[in-house]
Amino acid sequence: VIWMTQSPSLLSASTGDRVTISCRMSQGISSYLAWYQQKPGKAPELLIYAASTLQSGVPSRFSGSGSGTDFTLTISCLQSEDFATYYCQQYYSFPRTFGQGTKVEIK
Amino acid sequence: EVQLVESGGGLVQPGGSLRLSCAASGFTFSSYEMNWVRQAPGKGLEWVSYISSSGSTIYYADSVKGRFTISRDNAKNSLYLQMNSLRAEDTAVYYCARDDSSGYQMTDYWGQGTLVTVSS
Repeated sequence: VIWMTQSPSLLSASTGDRVTISCRMSQGISSYLAWYQQKPGKAPELLIYAASTLQSGVPSRFSGSGSGTDFTLTISCLQSEDFATYYCQQYYSFPRTFGQGTKVEIK
Repeated sequence: EVQLVESGGGLVQPGGSLRLSCAASGFTFSSYEMNWVRQAPGKGLEWVSYISSSGSTIYYADSVKGRFTISRDNAKNSLYLQMNSLRAEDTAVYYCARDDSSGYQMTDYWGQGTLVTVSS
């Protein structure tokens, strides 16, 4: 099983801030990492796959980086619609695993 | 437009059974690998099960192995999850989710979910 450590669990920020979320793996996964955004009562939505590829339709203020064991999601200029919970997921091997989630809240 | 619509959730007693369904439309269902993912109330996401496009390859999370069975009917564009010996800790929203078919293999679309509540 590949264990994932996502941090922070809670991030307080203001509109316009640059925020960074980290995801660390217990073993290397190359670039088989995805980032999802979830709003209350809604299904998750894919933001980034292959660690750094932006899903079609996702604003360019979202970016991903990393490979191997350390990955980062960055939102360059936080907008009001970005306040949500973010999850990383590895799809390198089964069982697939998710990070614990990062809730981005209004400061 | 890709659509995944789950059904079959509800209230069931511990030890009971439930069968979830997921109706797919807007894409060639038989060409895509599929998953079930769940989310307990107020908690994070947990991957539950995977099935290949043909149904020949299946994986389960340890937490449901031996109790849950994933299956699909490509002629009906449908995915299923048979859940037996249900426990209180299986209470969650269950999402049907599609894997990308272009080679990247990430999960790219999710249904809106169906709530399963296990309680006496």
